[in-house]
Amino acid sequence: KQEVTQIPAALSVPEGENLVLNCSFTDSAIYNLQWFRQDPGKGLTSLLLIQSSQREQTSGRLNASLDKSSGRSTLYIAASQPGDSATYLCAPTENRDDKIIFGKGTRLHILP
Amino acid sequence: DVKVTQSSRYLVKRTGEKVFLECVQDMDHENMFWYRQDPGLGLRLIYFSYDVKMKEKGDIPEGYSVSREKKERFSLILESASTNQTSMYLCASSGAGTGYSGANVLTFGAGSRLTVL
Repeated sequence: KQEVTQIPAALSVPEGENLVLNCSFTDSAIYNLQWFRQDPGKGLTSLLLIQSSQREQTSGRLNASLDKSSGRSTLYIAASQPGDSATYLCAPTENRDDKIIFGKGTRLHILP
Repeated sequence: DVKVTQSSRYLVKRTGEKVFLECVQDMDHENMFWYRQDPGLGLRLIYFSYDVKMKEKGDIPEGYSVSREKKERFSLILESASTNQTSMYLCASSGAGTGYSGANVLTFGAGSRLTVL
């Protein structure tokens, strides 16, 4: 059974810093991996999707990398802003049955 | 703007009541999903569907059923609500890609917070 772990569970950093969020998964037979953002009490918003054949994807200040063989993905946020404060979740899609399994997320707080 | 719409943002029901949570997407997506989200447990998959009238059990289907009579609508049904079903319920959809494994970008609704008393 796929298990997804995100470390750290919570993170507070001063505004302007670059930061890295980590995601690991136990079953490397994945079709793709997505990173999401969730604001309190709201639904999830997709940030980036990396296909299994890709190494990374970029969108603005966000860069996500994928090392499928080692079961790891990272989300890099450059020049963090208070508006980046949210919970970030990673979710690989399994090859076997297309199930999308979520990590518990990293709660990020950017200090003004 | 593409959308996944969940019919109710907040519901309060009594134990034993039958509860319907409705989800509609306007993106002509093949795949639809129901998750519940609880503090400390994260998002857990209840049921999903790849086509009209098709349904697959997720990780925690007990106490739930689903209906997909039309492509755009995926309903989650709690036959007899219990207090341990108090949760945030999230619906999502995605389009089919190439081959059998066709999960693309997952689009979520705003969520339905259900309280069972």
